[in-house]
Amino acid sequence: AQKITQTQPGMFVQEKEAVTLDCTYDTSDQSYGLFWYKQPSSGEMIFLIYQGSYDEQNATEGRYSLNFQKARKSANLVISASQLGDSAMYFCAMRVLYNQGGKLIFGQGTELSVKP
Amino acid sequence: NAGVTQTPKFQVLKTGQSMTLQCAQDMNHEYMSWYRQDPGMGLRLIHYSVGAGITDQGEVPNGYNVSRSTTEDFPLRLLSAAPSQTSVYFCASSSRPQGFTGELFFGEGSRLTVL
Repeated sequence: AQKITQTQPGMFVQEKEAVTLDCTYDTSDQSYGLFWYKQPSSGEMIFLIYQGSYDEQNATEGRYSLNFQKARKSANLVISASQLGDSAMYFCAMRVLYNQGGKLIFGQGTELSVKP
Repeated sequence: NAGVTQTPKFQVLKTGQSMTLQCAQDMNHEYMSWYRQDPGMGLRLIHYSVGAGITDQGEVPNGYNVSRSTTEDFPLRLLSAAPSQTSVYFCASSSRPQGFTGELFFGEGSRLTVL
């Protein structure tokens, strides 16, 4: 079964420190994409970073990096130098083929709180 | 840049009423989709479309209808609202319907309450 698991319902981090949000996935497909989205309290879904299943290097976008370990089926998000504005819900998602198109399978999310 | 626009942002319905959630994108994206977000369950796919005139069911399609008469618009219809349809609804679009790259652009969400 295709599934995304985020085992950390909530996390705290001190401002300016780095934090890792865990994500494991399960699929038998060879081709897939892994995404992280941020959802602040205002409710919108903000794209952060993408990793393709065939990408050999870990994706990075500014302060965000994705620690992709294919054999372990993990796609952890690392946020360096946390800021107060990073406080939000974070969702890991996997995009797979679905009938004629693709679909995103989401994890349950991790609520990150950044302390001053 | 409008991106993906959803209306209304908030709606309260009584059980049995019908309504349509509107979604429009101005990025000429082929792929459009509707997700619902419930507490503790992440987002789940309701319906999707890979182009004008083509729609298909997602994981939780019961109680919802869609149509895609133009590239820009993808409305979601609730024919007879039920309390179980109380949720936050997101419309999303992408330029690559079958690829695995390509960001999914989300609307701001529509919060629906069914009494």
